[in-house]
Amino acid sequence: DVQLLESGGDLIQPGGSLRLSCAASGFKFSDFAMTWVRQAPGKGLEWVSGLNSAGLSTYYADSVKGRFTISRDNSANTLYLRMNSLRSEDTAVYYCAKGLTEEVTLWLDSWGQGTQVTVFS
Amino acid sequence: QSVLTQPPSVSAAPGRKVNISCSGSSSNIGYNSVAWFQQVPGTAPKLLIYENNKRPSGIPDRFSGSKSGTSANLGITGLQTGDEAEYYCGTWDSSLSGAVFGGGTQVTIL
Repeated sequence: DVQLLESGGDLIQPGGSLRLSCAASGFKFSDFAMTWVRQAPGKGLEWVSGLNSAGLSTYYADSVKGRFTISRDNSANTLYLRMNSLRSEDTAVYYCAKGLTEEVTLWLDSWGQGTQVTVFS
Repeated sequence: QSVLTQPPSVSAAPGRKVNISCSGSSSNIGYNSVAWFQQVPGTAPKLLIYENNKRPSGIPDRFSGSKSGTSANLGITGLQTGDEAEYYCGTWDSSLSGAVFGGGTQVTIL
Protein backbone atom coordinates (compact mmCIF):
# COMPACT_ATOMS: atom_id res chain seq x y z
CA ASP A 1 0.00 0.00 0.00
CA VAL A 2 1.15 3.53 -0.78
CA GLN A 3 1.92 5.49 2.36
CA LEU A 4 2.86 9.16 2.62
CA LEU A 5 3.78 10.51 6.03
CA GLU A 6 4.31 14.24 6.42
CA SER A 7 6.20 15.78 9.31
CA GLY A 8 7.83 19.06 10.28
CA GLY A 9 4.77 21.21 10.84
CA ASP A 10 5.00 23.59 13.78
CA LEU A 11 3.98 26.88 15.38
CA ILE A 12 6.28 29.60 14.11
CA GLN A 13 6.50 33.37 14.06
CA PRO A 14 6.23 35.45 10.88
CA GLY A 15 9.50 35.63 9.00
CA GLY A 16 10.59 32.24 10.26
CA SER A 17 11.52 29.10 8.35
CA LEU A 18 10.43 25.47 8.38
CA ARG A 19 11.22 22.35 6.45
CA LEU A 20 8.45 19.85 5.83
CA SER A 21 9.23 16.24 5.00
CA CYS A 22 7.12 13.55 3.37
CA ALA A 23 8.33 9.97 3.79
CA ALA A 24 7.04 7.69 1.04
CA SER A 25 6.68 3.93 0.99
CA GLY A 26 4.83 1.21 -0.88
CA PHE A 27 5.79 2.36 -4.39
CA LYS A 28 8.86 3.18 -6.46
CA PHE A 29 9.28 6.78 -5.34
CA SER A 30 11.76 7.71 -8.07
CA ASP A 31 9.21 6.96 -10.80
CA PHE A 32 6.60 9.53 -9.82
CA ALA A 33 6.18 13.28 -9.61
CA MET A 34 5.26 14.65 -6.19
CA THR A 35 3.23 17.67 -5.12
CA TRP A 36 2.45 19.79 -2.07
CA VAL A 37 -1.10 21.06 -1.57
CA ARG A 38 -2.26 23.13 1.39
CA GLN A 39 -5.57 23.94 3.02
CA ALA A 40 -6.06 26.94 5.27
CA PRO A 41 -8.53 26.58 8.16
CA GLY A 42 -12.06 26.36 6.80
CA LYS A 43 -10.87 27.04 3.25
CA GLY A 44 -10.44 25.10 0.03
CA LEU A 45 -7.47 23.38 -1.49
CA GLU A 46 -4.52 25.41 -2.74
CA TRP A 47 -1.83 23.88 -4.95
CA VAL A 48 1.60 24.90 -3.65
CA SER A 49 4.36 23.20 -5.61
CA GLY A 50 5.23 20.22 -7.79
CA LEU A 51 8.40 18.37 -8.68
CA ASN A 52 8.96 15.77 -11.38
CA SER A 53 10.32 12.32 -10.68
CA ALA A 54 13.94 13.19 -11.43
CA GLY A 55 13.78 16.33 -9.32
CA LEU A 56 14.77 18.53 -12.22
CA SER A 57 11.51 20.34 -13.04
CA THR A 58 9.93 22.43 -10.30
CA TYR A 59 6.75 24.48 -10.26
CA TYR A 60 5.40 26.93 -7.67
CA ALA A 61 2.23 28.85 -6.97
CA ASP A 62 2.74 32.59 -7.27
CA SER A 63 1.87 32.94 -3.58
CA VAL A 64 4.99 31.01 -2.53
CA LYS A 65 7.41 31.62 -5.40
CA GLY A 66 10.76 32.85 -4.15
CA ARG A 67 10.02 31.77 -0.57
CA PHE A 68 9.41 28.02 -0.79
CA THR A 69 11.68 25.37 -2.32
CA ILE A 70 10.56 21.85 -3.19
CA SER A 71 13.09 19.05 -3.39
CA ARG A 72 13.36 15.30 -3.13
CA ASP A 73 15.85 12.62 -2.17
CA ASN A 74 15.04 9.57 -4.27
CA SER A 75 17.58 7.47 -2.38
CA ALA A 76 15.71 8.21 0.87
CA ASN A 77 12.19 8.13 -0.65
CA THR A 78 11.51 11.55 0.81
CA LEU A 79 9.97 14.78 -0.45
CA TYR A 80 10.75 18.13 1.15
CA LEU A 81 9.34 21.62 1.25
CA ARG A 82 11.62 24.34 2.57
CA MET A 83 9.54 27.34 3.62
CA ASN A 84 11.22 30.69 4.28
CA SER A 85 9.86 34.14 5.14
CA LEU A 86 6.68 32.60 6.49
CA ARG A 87 3.55 34.76 6.66
CA SER A 88 0.29 34.41 8.54
CA GLU A 89 -1.43 33.48 5.27
CA ASP A 90 0.80 30.38 5.03
CA THR A 91 -1.08 28.91 8.00
CA ALA A 92 -2.58 25.67 6.72
CA VAL A 93 -2.51 21.91 6.71
CA TYR A 94 0.12 20.87 4.18
CA TYR A 95 -0.46 17.64 2.27
CA CYS A 96 2.03 15.80 0.11
CA ALA A 97 0.58 13.85 -2.76
CA LYS A 98 1.84 11.35 -5.31
CA GLY A 99 1.26 11.88 -9.01
CA LEU A 100 0.20 9.25 -11.47
CA THR A 101 3.14 9.91 -13.81
CA GLU A 102 6.75 11.09 -13.76
CA GLU A 103 5.74 14.59 -14.84
CA VAL A 104 3.93 17.11 -12.64
CA THR A 105 0.17 17.02 -13.09
CA LEU A 106 -2.84 17.35 -10.86
CA TRP A 107 -3.53 13.59 -11.14
CA LEU A 108 -2.78 13.02 -7.44
CA ASP A 109 -3.78 9.49 -6.57
CA SER A 110 -2.38 9.18 -3.04
CA TRP A 111 -2.25 11.75 -0.25
CA GLY A 112 -0.68 11.93 3.17
CA GLN A 113 -2.62 12.83 6.31
CA GLY A 114 -1.19 16.35 6.37
CA THR A 115 0.97 18.36 8.74
CA GLN A 116 -0.15 21.60 10.41
CA VAL A 117 1.81 24.80 9.93
CA THR A 118 0.70 27.76 12.04
CA VAL A 119 2.32 31.15 11.59
CA PHE A 120 1.47 33.53 14.45
CA SER A 121 2.85 36.63 16.06
CA GLN B 1 -11.45 34.19 -5.36
CA SER B 2 -10.61 30.89 -7.07
CA VAL B 3 -9.46 30.69 -10.68
CA LEU B 4 -12.03 27.94 -11.27
CA THR B 5 -15.65 28.58 -10.33
CA GLN B 6 -17.85 25.96 -8.68
CA PRO B 7 -21.27 26.32 -7.07
CA PRO B 8 -20.93 26.48 -3.28
CA SER B 9 -23.42 23.69 -2.68
CA VAL B 10 -25.72 21.15 -4.30
CA SER B 11 -28.15 18.73 -2.71
CA ALA B 12 -30.36 15.83 -3.61
CA ALA B 13 -32.14 12.87 -2.06
CA PRO B 14 -30.54 9.43 -1.72
CA GLY B 15 -30.54 7.54 -5.00
CA ARG B 16 -30.81 10.68 -7.10
CA LYS B 17 -28.19 12.36 -9.26
CA VAL B 18 -26.25 15.60 -8.88
CA ASN B 19 -24.07 17.50 -11.28
CA ILE B 20 -21.30 19.83 -10.20
CA SER B 21 -20.02 22.40 -12.65
CA CYS B 22 -16.54 23.87 -12.86
CA SER B 23 -15.99 26.93 -15.00
CA GLY B 24 -12.61 28.21 -16.11
CA SER B 25 -10.91 29.92 -19.03
CA SER B 26 -8.91 29.24 -22.14
CA SER B 27 -5.64 29.07 -20.19
CA ASN B 28 -6.80 26.35 -17.83
CA ILE B 29 -9.81 24.12 -18.59
CA GLY B 30 -9.91 25.26 -22.20
CA TYR B 31 -6.41 23.94 -22.78
CA ASN B 32 -5.81 21.24 -20.14
CA SER B 33 -7.55 18.21 -18.72
CA VAL B 34 -9.49 18.32 -15.46
CA ALA B 35 -9.38 16.32 -12.21
CA TRP B 36 -11.99 15.97 -9.49
CA PHE B 37 -11.38 15.29 -5.81
CA GLN B 38 -13.64 14.32 -2.92
CA GLN B 39 -12.84 15.47 0.60
CA VAL B 40 -14.73 14.24 3.63
CA PRO B 41 -14.24 16.63 6.59
CA GLY B 42 -11.13 15.86 8.60
CA THR B 43 -9.60 13.65 5.93
CA ALA B 44 -7.27 14.06 2.97
CA PRO B 45 -8.70 14.59 -0.51
CA LYS B 46 -9.28 11.58 -2.75
CA LEU B 47 -8.87 11.53 -6.53
CA LEU B 48 -12.18 10.68 -8.24
CA ILE B 49 -11.58 11.65 -11.87
CA TYR B 50 -8.49 12.54 -13.89
CA GLU B 51 -7.93 13.50 -17.51
CA ASN B 52 -11.54 14.75 -17.65
CA ASN B 53 -13.28 11.38 -17.46
CA LYS B 54 -10.96 8.62 -16.22
CA ARG B 55 -11.55 6.91 -12.89
CA PRO B 56 -8.70 5.54 -10.76
CA SER B 57 -9.08 1.94 -9.69
CA GLY B 58 -11.56 1.57 -6.86
CA ILE B 59 -13.71 4.56 -7.81
CA PRO B 60 -17.23 3.37 -8.69
CA ASP B 61 -18.78 4.23 -12.04
CA ARG B 62 -21.42 6.28 -10.21
CA PHE B 63 -18.86 9.06 -10.56
CA SER B 64 -18.34 10.46 -14.05
CA GLY B 65 -16.57 13.45 -15.54
CA SER B 66 -16.89 15.46 -18.71
CA LYS B 67 -15.45 18.59 -20.26
CA SER B 68 -16.66 20.98 -22.92
CA GLY B 69 -14.82 24.13 -23.88
CA THR B 70 -13.85 26.00 -20.74
CA SER B 71 -16.18 24.09 -18.41
CA ALA B 72 -16.15 20.68 -16.77
CA ASN B 73 -18.75 18.66 -14.95
CA LEU B 74 -18.80 15.95 -12.30
CA GLY B 75 -21.83 13.71 -12.16
CA ILE B 76 -22.72 11.53 -9.21
CA THR B 77 -25.56 9.04 -9.65
CA GLY B 78 -27.27 6.83 -7.09
CA LEU B 79 -26.41 9.21 -4.28
CA GLN B 80 -25.45 7.60 -0.99
CA THR B 81 -25.04 9.11 2.46
CA GLY B 82 -21.31 8.43 2.17
CA ASP B 83 -21.14 10.82 -0.78
CA GLU B 84 -21.71 13.78 1.52
CA ALA B 85 -18.45 15.68 1.16
CA GLU B 86 -16.72 18.64 -0.45
CA TYR B 87 -15.83 18.22 -4.11
CA TYR B 88 -13.06 20.11 -5.89
CA CYS B 89 -12.18 20.46 -9.54
CA GLY B 90 -8.65 21.24 -10.60
CA THR B 91 -6.46 21.59 -13.63
CA TRP B 92 -3.20 23.04 -14.90
CA ASP B 93 -3.17 26.72 -15.82
CA SER B 94 -0.77 27.35 -18.68
CA SER B 95 -0.60 31.09 -17.98
CA LEU B 96 0.35 30.55 -14.35
CA SER B 97 2.57 27.51 -15.02
CA GLY B 98 0.91 25.90 -12.04
CA ALA B 99 -2.16 24.01 -10.99
CA VAL B 100 -5.39 25.58 -9.77
CA PHE B 101 -8.40 24.31 -7.84
CA GLY B 102 -11.99 25.41 -7.75
CA GLY B 103 -13.42 26.77 -4.52
CA GLY B 104 -15.19 23.52 -3.73
CA THR B 105 -18.81 22.33 -3.73
CA GLN B 106 -20.52 20.90 -0.69
CA VAL B 107 -22.77 17.97 -1.58
CA THR B 108 -25.59 17.40 0.88
CA ILE B 109 -27.80 14.33 0.90
CA LEU B 110 -31.34 15.36 1.81
